Amino acid sequence: AQSVAQPEDQVNVAEGNPLTVKCTYSVSGNPYLFWYVQYPNRGLQFLLKYITGDNLVKGSYGFEAEFNKSQTSFHLKKPSALVSDSALYFCAVRDWAGGSYIPTFGRGTSLIVHP
Amino acid sequence: NAGVTQTPKFQVLKTGQSMTLQCAQDMNHEYMSWYRQDPGMGLRLIHYSVGAGITDQGEVPNGYNVSRSTTEDFPLRLLSAAPSQTSVYFCASSSKPGQVYEQYFGPGTRLTVT
Repeated sequence: AQSVAQPEDQVNVAEGNPLTVKCTYSVSGNPYLFWYVQYPNRGLQFLLKYITGDNLVKGSYGFEAEFNKSQTSFHLKKPSALVSDSALYFCAVRDWAGGSYIPTFGRGTSLIVHP
Repeated sequence: NAGVTQTPKFQVLKTGQSMTLQCAQDMNHEYMSWYRQDPGMGLRLIHYSVGAGITDQGEVPNGYNVSRSTTEDFPLRLLSAAPSQTSVYFCASSSKPGQVYEQYFGPGTRLTVT
């Protein structure tokens, strides 16, 4: 079975400060990991993914995520937050070994960047 | 490319009515899926399809039907609407189900059942 947890419903950060949105996962094999962003009244947009290789993955809009196998985490980061980054962020996982091509999504974390 | 399109954007139904939510993609994607998004619940998979003629149930399939007669279209049917089906519905697609491709999402349909 695969599962993903986003432990924070909301993250608040001041503009210009670094931001982190947390994600932990559970799979029986190796994970495929994704981050998506949802702006108000819009569908989800893909930000980045981890398949294998380098633990630091770079994505769209200056975001990056660090894969940590020992901590089963895939936290989303950005060095300097913008007000326009305010949105709902979803982490998703797919189990490599499970043979399933269906990802499981977390419940989402609302990121609020204050001017 | 238009990507993933959904119609309608908004819909109000009375309990017991039926309707079809339309979803189409022009990227020749094999994998398509339907999710519902509810506050505090994240995204929950309703049904999915790995190709024309092939569909399967997701996490919350009750009350919904799907079919996939073409690669492009994946309509979601509500058989007899209930207030519990009030939600925002998203259709998504990705290139090949067996490979690690990200999903492309439509803009969503906001459904209210009274």
